Amino acid sequence: AQSVAQPEDQVNVAEGNPLTVKCTYSVSGNPYLFWYVQYPNRGLQFLLKYITGDNLVKGSYGFEAEFNKSQTSFHLKKPSALVSDSALYFCAVRDRAGRRALTFGSGTRLQVQP
Amino acid sequence: GAVVSQHPSWVICKSGTSVKIECRSLDFQATTMFWYRQFPKQSLMLMATSNEGSKATYEQGVEKDKFLINHASLTLSTLTVTSAHPEDSSFYICSARVIAGVGRYEQYFGPGTRLTVT
Repeated sequence: AQSVAQPEDQVNVAEGNPLTVKCTYSVSGNPYLFWYVQYPNRGLQFLLKYITGDNLVKGSYGFEAEFNKSQTSFHLKKPSALVSDSALYFCAVRDRAGRRALTFGSGTRLQVQP
Repeated sequence: GAVVSQHPSWVICKSGTSVKIECRSLDFQATTMFWYRQFPKQSLMLMATSNEGSKATYEQGVEKDKFLINHASLTLSTLTVTSAHPEDSSFYICSARVIAGVGRYEQYFGPGTRLTVT
């Protein structure tokens, strides 16, 4: 079985400050990890993924995520938040082979205040 | 890049009627498509996995007779919500899986369909 936990329903941050959205996972074997963003009434937009290699993954719109195997975490980060980053963020996991569909976390709403 | 489309993007129907949602992979062939459901302010929950030419596999708790899935070709899967009720109102998202290498897969998502049952 594979699962994802996003412990925060909402994260509030002031514009210009760094942001972190937390994610921990559980999967058999080595994971593939993903972050997606969703704006109201829209589909998912891919941000970044970890497959192998460097633990720090850089993605779209200045976001990055750090894979930590010992803590089974894959937190999303951005050095300087923008108001336009306000949206719903989903962490997702699957096993390396990808035979099963992606499993999503519960989502974290990011609110960036001007 | 791999593009997945859904049609319609939103639909309103009356209780008791049936609604069909189409999911197409536009520039690649997808042997497997997934259907997710998202309630307001909640996560995406996998409903079913459909493989081209065979019956869909439904997740526990999903009524197969209510949510009919057809995957007749490598580029098209359809989800029909039969005898829709207001509690079926939701955001339905399809996803297509493509072979990315030996034993490796990538999954691409459609833009979603907003269903409102009145």
